[in-house]
This record gives sequence, structure tokens and C-alpha cells, in this order.
Amino acid sequence: NAGVTQTPKFQVLKTGQSMTLQCAQDMNHNSMYWYRQDPGMGLRLIYYSASEGTTDKGEVPNGYNVSRLNKREFSLRLESAAPSQTSVYFCASSTETGATEAFFGQGTRLTVV
Amino acid sequence: DAKTTQPPSMDCAEGRAANLPCNHSTISGNEYVYWYRQIHSQGPQYIIHGLKNNETNEMASLIITEDRKSSTLILPHATLRDTAVYYCIVRGLNTGGFKTIFGAGTRLFVKA
Repeated sequence: NAGVTQTPKFQVLKTGQSMTLQCAQDMNHNSMYWYRQDPGMGLRLIYYSASEGTTDKGEVPNGYNVSRLNKREFSLRLESAAPSQTSVYFCASSTETGATEAFFGQGTRLTVV
Repeated sequence: DAKTTQPPSMDCAEGRAANLPCNHSTISGNEYVYWYRQIHSQGPQYIIHGLKNNETNEMASLIITEDRKSSTLILPHATLRDTAVYYCIVRGLNTGGFKTIFGAGTRLFVKA
């Protein structure tokens, strides 16, 4: 069972470069989320998509954009990477935003130098 | 969503029960208590949730005080693989989903 799949698993960027983090889920979930986790800290919500065609800002959206490409896929884009965006990024999904349980991917470890 | 307070770290001997406390004194009537854990480098994993009654599943038990201002997650027979960060989260069932910040959690060390 694939669940939530994130690509890539690791990435090193130079300051100012752009990239897109990909996330796909095969559980037919309506809601998807992007979080970042900095060393020794919990997860902070960047953006979420309650359903296909909608996206909303989370707690720390600055410097990021998202696209809900279809029901399965939710991508996170860094237009001009900064060292402050060095972090581990997690994608998650749930049946609805009010669901009991969210399922998380394995994370993308991003380093911006 | 109500805030939660957890100790930063705890130790537990392998085979013994691990009792992880969480304070949520500002919890409101329609908010549930959720527990997730994150094993090193992996994505968080759901453990259990409850409203006011004690809950048990194959992973753990959740004890919520009568006034609902605190709760305890119990891992009845901790193993080395239970070493992880445990997050206590309080949120309403229909209040915008997992927008709650996962705080620092409690880092549980299970020792042989």
C-alpha cells in the first residue's frame, strides 16, 4: 500500500533556485496538507487543500506556492529558495479536513546552501 | 484549537508501561484529544483519539480526566521500537482539519 508518496526524498538547492516538491496519495482523500519541520521542533502547516480545486494558507506560507493538480496530487513550489527554507517537508492527506486521522508521507529533506 | 503542554522528554524501561502526560486546560466541549508519534526521520503516525471516555486500541490506551483538562497516553508494554516523539493535539472534529501546529511533543526513550 503506497499511501502518501513524496518525491524527491532528498534535495540540495543553491540560494535563489526554484524547485517543486511532489506529493501523491492513492487513498481517494479529499484533503491534503504540506508541513515543514525544523530540527528539534514540531510540524508547522504551510498550505492545505480542503478539496480538489481549493487551497488555503497555513501558519507559515511565505516563500511557498502550492497547486492541487487533481485529487491525487498536491505540489509545493519554492520560487526562490532561501537558507531559512532548509527543513524537512511532510505531505499529508485525510478523507476530509474534519477527519479523525491524517496520513503522512516519509518526508523530503531539503537543504538550501 | 486548544494549546497543549507536554514534558520535553521521558525515559521508560523496556517491557514497562510508558505513561505520557498532556495538559490541555483550555480545551472546549467539542474538542478531541489526539495522539500521534513520529519515529526518527519518518512521518507522524496516528495512535489514538478520544473525547471524554477512556479509549483503547491495539497500540495504546488514552485516559482523559473527568474535567478533560489533561490526559495520559499509555503504552502498556513499551519496546525499543516505541522510542519516538509523541504529540498530543487538541482539535475540533470539524474545525478546519489538521491546521493545528504539532508542538515539540515528548521525546520518549525506551531503554533496554
